[in-house]
Amino acid sequence: QQKVQQSPESLIVPEGGMASLNCTSSDRNVDYFWWYRQHSGKSPKMLMSIFSNGEKEEGRFTVHLNKASLHTSLHIRDSQPSDSALYLCAASDTNTGKLTFGDGTVLTVKP
Amino acid sequence: GGIITQTPKFLIGQEGQKLTLKCQQNFNHDTMYWYRQDSGKGLRLIYYSITENDLQKGDLSEGYDASREKKSSFSLTVTSAQKNEMAVFLCASSIPGNTEVFFGKGTRLTVV
Repeated sequence: QQKVQQSPESLIVPEGGMASLNCTSSDRNVDYFWWYRQHSGKSPKMLMSIFSNGEKEEGRFTVHLNKASLHTSLHIRDSQPSDSALYLCAASDTNTGKLTFGDGTVLTVKP
Repeated sequence: GGIITQTPKFLIGQEGQKLTLKCQQNFNHDTMYWYRQDSGKGLRLIYYSITENDLQKGDLSEGYDASREKKSSFSLTVTSAQKNEMAVFLCASSIPGNTEVFFGKGTRLTVV
């Protein structure tokens, strides 16, 4: 079973809408969370990272983290068709250097 | 900036064949990773290495070997190719600690 679980598997939002993606780790050794975006046929690129409780905002993207539940969420406001991609959540363990990814959420933004 | 070069870009092998995928990075990063990505799915960690000559197993290491003889290179061997492991293999690297991981463009493996 994947130690990093993402939901939903796929999501369709209208252009200008809000997209909300979720991610939970079952490994209590992780201490850092990452969100990567992968456009079709391309390699993953980092969007945002978070390690402390609370919220972090960069432009249209906001990430939340609850360390007690090892749950993170990514929110994209004013979604654009160019945001359509596979969104991958990852969790890292500083002590071992291990970086584990989830199965991703496929986001489609409809014009 | 640096670059991660994976060779070959496309690899066609026969069932049961031993196949080697190569990865070179010029970021001077200590940590390197090999991931497998099945079509439309997430990344599964095969092996990683935190320094030259170090090897750590990931969650999907069975059926694979890896080698890190130099800081700049990390190779992955499929010990006996199977038809159900057709996928894209992604190499990645980073500096130690919680820092951004950079990816290569991948090797697409087809087993016939």
